[in-house]
Amino acid sequence: KQEVTQIPAALSVPEGENLVLNCSFTDSAIYNLQWFRQDPGKGLTSLLLIQSSQREQTSGRLNASLDKSSGRSTLYIAASQPGDSATYLCAVPKTGANNLFFGTGTRLTVIP
Amino acid sequence: DGGITQSPKYLFRKEGQNVTLSCEQNLNHDAMYWYRQDPGQGLRLIYYSQIVNDFQKGDIAEGYSVSREKKESFPLTVTSAQKNPTAFYLCASSPSLRGNQPQHFGDGTRLSIL
Repeated sequence: KQEVTQIPAALSVPEGENLVLNCSFTDSAIYNLQWFRQDPGKGLTSLLLIQSSQREQTSGRLNASLDKSSGRSTLYIAASQPGDSATYLCAVPKTGANNLFFGTGTRLTVIP
Repeated sequence: DGGITQSPKYLFRKEGQNVTLSCEQNLNHDAMYWYRQDPGQGLRLIYYSQIVNDFQKGDIAEGYSVSREKKESFPLTVTSAQKNPTAFYLCASSPSLRGNQPQHFGDGTRLSIL
């Protein structure tokens, strides 16, 4: 069974710093990997979806990388802002279907 | 704007009572999903549906039921058999069950026991 792990569970950084969030998965036979953002008490907002054939995907200050062979993905956030404070989740679909396996998330706090 | 609407935002259940959570989407997506989120745990799949009148159990379906009578709607019923229903429930949809398509989420319903 696929297991998705996110380390660290929580991270605090001063405003303006660049940071990296990590995601690892045990089964490398994935179609894609999706990064989400969740604000307290809210649903999930899709940030980036990186296909298995891609190595990187970028959106604004966000850059996601994927290394299937090592079972790892990173989400890089450049020039962090207080508005980036949220929980970041990564997820991979179940083989043969689109049901997602989620990590437990990294709670990011950007200090002004 | 297209999106997923979940209602109510907060819901309270009495012991022995069934409650139904609503999920409506206007994205014209075929596939819909229900997830449960507990503190310190990742989201877990309850049920999913590929198409109207079809649905499948996820990893934690016991104590829950669903229906898919319309493409736009996928309500979740939390039955009295679900002994620990307090959680945050999230509905999602995607164009199909093909594994290369992103899922879009609603804002969730928080269910608590009275």
